[in-house]
Amino acid sequence: GDSVTQMEGPVTLSEEAFLTINCTYTATGYPSLFWYVQYPGEGLQLLLKATKADDKGSNKGFEATYRKETTSFHLEKGSVQVSDSAVYFCARANSGGYQKVTFGTGTKLQVIP
Amino acid sequence: DAGITQSPRHKVTETGTPVTLRCHQTENHRYMYWYRQDPGHGLRLIHYSYGVKDTDKGEVSDGYSVSRSKTEDFLLTLESATSSQTSVYFCAISESTLYTFGSGTRLTVV
Repeated sequence: GDSVTQMEGPVTLSEEAFLTINCTYTATGYPSLFWYVQYPGEGLQLLLKATKADDKGSNKGFEATYRKETTSFHLEKGSVQVSDSAVYFCARANSGGYQKVTFGTGTKLQVIP
Repeated sequence: DAGITQSPRHKVTETGTPVTLRCHQTENHRYMYWYRQDPGHGLRLIHYSYGVKDTDKGEVSDGYSVSRSKTEDFLLTLESATSSQTSVYFCAISESTLYTFGSGTRLTVV
């Protein structure tokens, strides 16, 4: 079935370090891909999305590129801040019909000053 | 705000008692979902609804039931709570593949 695999966390970085969180997805159909972020005590919020191959989603300094050849959608940020500490979820959705979204297990990021 | 609220935000209940969690939306979205979030498991879909009185099971539906009598309300009921149902429960709404989540309900079954 459809699935999303994320790198295990937690990831601990110093402020201003480069961030990569890996995500791969099953290639059934032509999925849309998403990154959601969950801050402590809150629900998930959409961070960015990409709907077709080679699309780049970006928001708040985060980027992810839809790579069909490697079935990947890795999240990157050039310089993380303490305020980026959160849990990040990769997700995929089928196009057409009932658009069920499948979430990865989440990767916790902790940024230390 | 996104127009989705969950109640209660926190609840402690005893094993064997029934519990109902409420999700209310003001966005008139067709789809509504209940997830539970547990360490090491991420988000797991319990039940979802694709319209009034139209619901279906997710991957972890055992021990849970849902009802949707109005577009804006989606209720999750634990008929007889067990300690394994201690979790954080999230409601979500969507019209497409973009989900909006509530702030969650932390349920503890003692």
